[in-house]
Amino acid sequence: KQEVTQIPAALSVPEGENLVLNCSFTDSAIYNLQWFRQDPGKGLTSLLLIQSSQREQTSGRLNASLDKSSGRSTLYIAASQPGDSATYLCAVKQPPGNTPLVFGKGTRLSVIA
Amino acid sequence: SQTIHQWPATLVQPVGSPLSLECTVEGTSNPNLYWYRQAAGRGLQLLFYSVGIGQISSEVPQNLSASRPQDRQFILSSKKLLLSDSGFYLCAWSPRQNIQYFGAGTRLSVL
Repeated sequence: KQEVTQIPAALSVPEGENLVLNCSFTDSAIYNLQWFRQDPGKGLTSLLLIQSSQREQTSGRLNASLDKSSGRSTLYIAASQPGDSATYLCAVKQPPGNTPLVFGKGTRLSVIA
Repeated sequence: SQTIHQWPATLVQPVGSPLSLECTVEGTSNPNLYWYRQAAGRGLQLLFYSVGIGQISSEVPQNLSASRPQDRQFILSSKKLLLSDSGFYLCAWSPRQNIQYFGAGTRLSVL
């Protein structure tokens, strides 16, 4: 059974720092991996989707990498801003692809001005 | 463009009362639909998912049920709420094998 772990559970950094959030999964046979952002009391917003054949995806100051063989993904946030404060969740989808996502518990990020 | 609507945003219900949460998707056809519950410290728990009308998969035995009466409508129900049903309920949809999109969520408090 696929399990997704995110470390750390919480992170506090000063504004302007570059930071890395980690995600690991136990079964490397994934279909894709998705990173989400969740603000308190809100739904989830999709940030980046990496297909199993890809190694990274970029959107603005965000870069997500995927190393399927080691069961790891990282979300890199450059030049962090207070508006980046939120919980970031990682989720993987198993083959054949028409299956639900398996979520980690998230990393709660606080960027201090 | 596609949108997902989930309501109500907040709900306070007494123990033993029924529940009906509705989710609809616009701008797409034959989506996969999902219901999740998020409780503090437990992360996102998949409750039900559906790949078509009348096709419901239940992930966790519980006091809840789901129905999909129309292609783009997904309903979460309970006949008698328990205190443990309190939480943040999220509906989501995805095209086949692709990005998953979430609704704004419903905060349910059972008192």
